[in-house]
Amino acid sequence: GNSVTQMEGPVTLSEEAFLTINCTYTATGYPSLFWYVQYPGEGLQLLLKATKADDKGSNKGFEATYRKETTSFHLEKGSVQVSDSAVYFCALNNFGNEKLTFGTGTRLTIIP
Amino acid sequence: EAGVAQSPRYKIIEKRQSVAFWCNPISGHATLYWYQQILGQGPKLLIQFQNNGVVDDSQLPKDRFSAERLKGVDSTLKIQPAKLEDSAVYLCASSLDFGSSYNEQFFGPGTRLTVL
Repeated sequence: GNSVTQMEGPVTLSEEAFLTINCTYTATGYPSLFWYVQYPGEGLQLLLKATKADDKGSNKGFEATYRKETTSFHLEKGSVQVSDSAVYFCALNNFGNEKLTFGTGTRLTIIP
Repeated sequence: EAGVAQSPRYKIIEKRQSVAFWCNPISGHATLYWYQQILGQGPKLLIQFQNNGVVDDSQLPKDRFSAERLKGVDSTLKIQPAKLEDSAVYLCASSLDFGSSYNEQFFGPGTRLTVL
């Protein structure tokens, strides 16, 4: 079956630091990969996605590249801000099926 | 565009009591999902509807959980009777269409359930 493994948190960084949150997956077929973000008190929001190998998803300065050879989809941002403090979830679904399988989430805190 | 609405936002009940959650998806969205998110874990799909039909309820504990989506719009998730391990955030999500892994799911704010 499908599974997603995320880097354990919590992660605390200073403002303007470089961010990497690791995500690896196990799936059959050709999954689509997603990063969702949950800001305090809000629902999950799609941050970015990639639907095939070597695709790069990007949004709000965040990037992640679909690496089929290493089954990874690591989230990166060059310079984080306090407003990026949130919980980040890596997720996947299989082609033709919207059912999402989520990782456990990584809580990110950015300090000024 | 209004987002996915859920109510109540918080609920505290005693074990063995019943509880119901309500979800109103984004207008026009055919597919509706209920997820359970236990503290420290990622959301887990409980049930998926396309319009008013069930697509996937393989992870729904059917001895105590039930869900319906009458008229293919609003949905209600019920737990009867509740157990301590049901304490979680219950998330509702909707997507425009069905059968495509590219469809974005839009999530509501969730209902936090505490069972004492």
